[in-house]
Amino acid sequence: AQSVTQLDSQVPVFEEAPVELRCNYSSSVSVYLFWYVQYPNQGLQLLLKYLSGSTLVKGINGFEAEFNKSQTSFHLRKPSVHISDTAEYFCAGRRDNFNKFYFGSGTKLNVKP
Amino acid sequence: DAGVTQSPTHLIKTRGQQVTLRCSPKSGHDTVSWYQQALGQGPQFIFQYYEEEERQRGNFPDRFSGHQFPNYSSELNVNALLLGDSALYLCASSLDPRGRNYGYTFGSGTRLTVV
Repeated sequence: AQSVTQLDSQVPVFEEAPVELRCNYSSSVSVYLFWYVQYPNQGLQLLLKYLSGSTLVKGINGFEAEFNKSQTSFHLRKPSVHISDTAEYFCAGRRDNFNKFYFGSGTKLNVKP
Repeated sequence: DAGVTQSPTHLIKTRGQQVTLRCSPKSGHDTVSWYQQALGQGPQFIFQYYEEEERQRGNFPDRFSGHQFPNYSSELNVNALLLGDSALYLCASSLDPRGRNYGYTFGSGTRLTVV
């Protein structure tokens, strides 16, 4: 069963517009949630992570995400995107006592001028 | 401070052959995990090595095997290659098996194409 679900495979958006990339997790997965970005032909770079504490998490490059336990969601947001944000974004979760990540299938963000 | 280094970056193999991929962890890290990322999908966990032992394994057949050396570097071996093994193979290192506080660092991957 899919443990982390990214609802949108592709999200087109114009430059300087706000964006939200959606992620839902199953309650069996995760205490810890992450967003990674992958640029073409590169590995994964950590954007932000939720381990505990404040449910609003701020990451690099102006991204933020909110952990919502009641809705089992961890959506990624940015108020104003740039062309350079064009990439694929992966949501991932980890269980408390396990080591491996469960990744979603990814969302391709295409920022248009 | 060098990050995670993977070699080779690209590789083309024929069905039925065997392949070895290599990973050097980030300086100070002692745990290595391997992931397979098929085209259009998220990475899937293969296995993790810590203290030269396989500590956890994902849902991959025995054709996938690995090794960790005393210097913490690691190899991923795949035998009897299938077309479906074509993917980007990612290595991730961390300071301890859970990597909870110190995080994971991913390499840029090895792109394996099986023809």
